[in-house]
Amino acid sequence: SQQGEEDPQALSIQEGENATMNCSYKTSINNLQWYRQNSGRGLVHLILIRSNEREKHSGRLRVTLDTSKKSSSLLITASRAADTASYFCATDSTNDMRFGAGTRLTVKP
Amino acid sequence: DAGVIQSPRHEVTEMGQEVTLRCKPISGHDYLFWYRQTMMRGLELLIYFNNNVPIDDSGMPEDRFSAKMPNASFSTLKIQPSEPRDSAVYFCASTLGGRNQPQHFGDGTRLSIL
Repeated sequence: SQQGEEDPQALSIQEGENATMNCSYKTSINNLQWYRQNSGRGLVHLILIRSNEREKHSGRLRVTLDTSKKSSSLLITASRAADTASYFCATDSTNDMRFGAGTRLTVKP
Repeated sequence: DAGVIQSPRHEVTEMGQEVTLRCKPISGHDYLFWYRQTMMRGLELLIYFNNNVPIDDSGMPEDRFSAKMPNASFSTLKIQPSEPRDSAVYFCASTLGGRNQPQHFGDGTRLSIL
């Protein structure tokens, strides 16, 4: 079973708009990671946020973590057609590391 | 730098046949993971190794599945006998320093069992 649950399942926006994806989880975590997967390819690591961090930035990506709500969000600013992909959160807890079901993002040119 | 290399990229075989998937991790990485991805179940961790030793194989679905890592630069996932429900994309990933570190994925093997 999956630990992280992303929402929405699918998101369609216009190029230039911001995209926000959310991840909720059930158990305490050590860290949370976000990955991107382009069609027919493997997952690519985007960003890791530790349980004692609240926000991290990497280029156009902004990740927040709220451990009290057991949730994280990934914001992609000024989206591009090349951002079209599936995005997954992965939660690391004491017992295991699990991936969510993903959000399918489509950015229309 | 070469990433994680998986072979074959595609495999189509008949039910009952033995299937062997191969993975070459990034040089120097000490953790290797095998995953299965399907629409229904998402990305599932099957097994992972640390320094060539299997650490957790609780995700291996059945005895028909086996994985080996004879050395630091090669791993196999074998299914014998294969069944149609094994059809999926199988990914190998590697990382350095811990299970919870960023993982580097190969491009997967798309397996179809007829």
